[in-house]
Amino acid sequence: DAMVIQNPRYQVTQFGKPVTLSCSQTLNHNVMYWYQQKSSQAPKLLFHYYDKDFNNEADTPDNFQSRRPNTSFCFLDIRSPGLGDAAMYLCATSRDQGGQAITTDTQYFGPGTRLTVL
Amino acid sequence: AQSVTQLDSHVSVSEGTPVLLRCNYSSSYSPSLFWYVQHPNKGLQLLLKYTSAATLVKGINGFEAEFKKSETSFHLTKPSAHMSDAAEYFCVVSDPNDYKLSFGAGTTVTVRA
Repeated sequence: DAMVIQNPRYQVTQFGKPVTLSCSQTLNHNVMYWYQQKSSQAPKLLFHYYDKDFNNEADTPDNFQSRRPNTSFCFLDIRSPGLGDAAMYLCATSRDQGGQAITTDTQYFGPGTRLTVL
Repeated sequence: AQSVTQLDSHVSVSEGTPVLLRCNYSSSYSPSLFWYVQHPNKGLQLLLKYTSAATLVKGINGFEAEFKKSETSFHLTKPSAHMSDAAEYFCVVSDPNDYKLSFGAGTTVTVRA
């Protein structure tokens, strides 16, 4: 089945120690997103890739970076995790409907990575 | 600009009874509307979506939602709740010319045996 896969499902890191979360997809979607979801809150968009074009949300801290080496994979790098970065990180994908602006289809989410910062 | 209001932060039902989750939206355009479900420590699963076709949308696991433009509502219902329906539910709106989703605050559903 086509799907969005996230690894690891649970990640524990130390305060200030860089960490990388991974997302892969078999849907062949051209748009990939990273969300941060804190306890009892809705997901918050950090950034997205439209093909290889990176689009950062205005309020995403510089501590968060992303890489997309190919269509299938996307990584979230947290350079110096703080206690406030402990959260569920969700990857999602969608297919652009075409045209000059992004008019994307449904977003499909992975199972998430639960990050704990000690 | 678009926004979503989920009118109930928590809904508790008995197993086998109907479930109603209320959602109102605002949008400058003809929106796409979605309901997602999230079980504990899991990702978001799409239940159903409305994209200007039939106003009554059927989804997975017996859920359905009705789009009412005059009331700017997109309420989610299920005739008979199951224990496995206990989860967080998000109503989401997307404008057709934008990639961003606007999430409601979520409704926690508990199902009593």
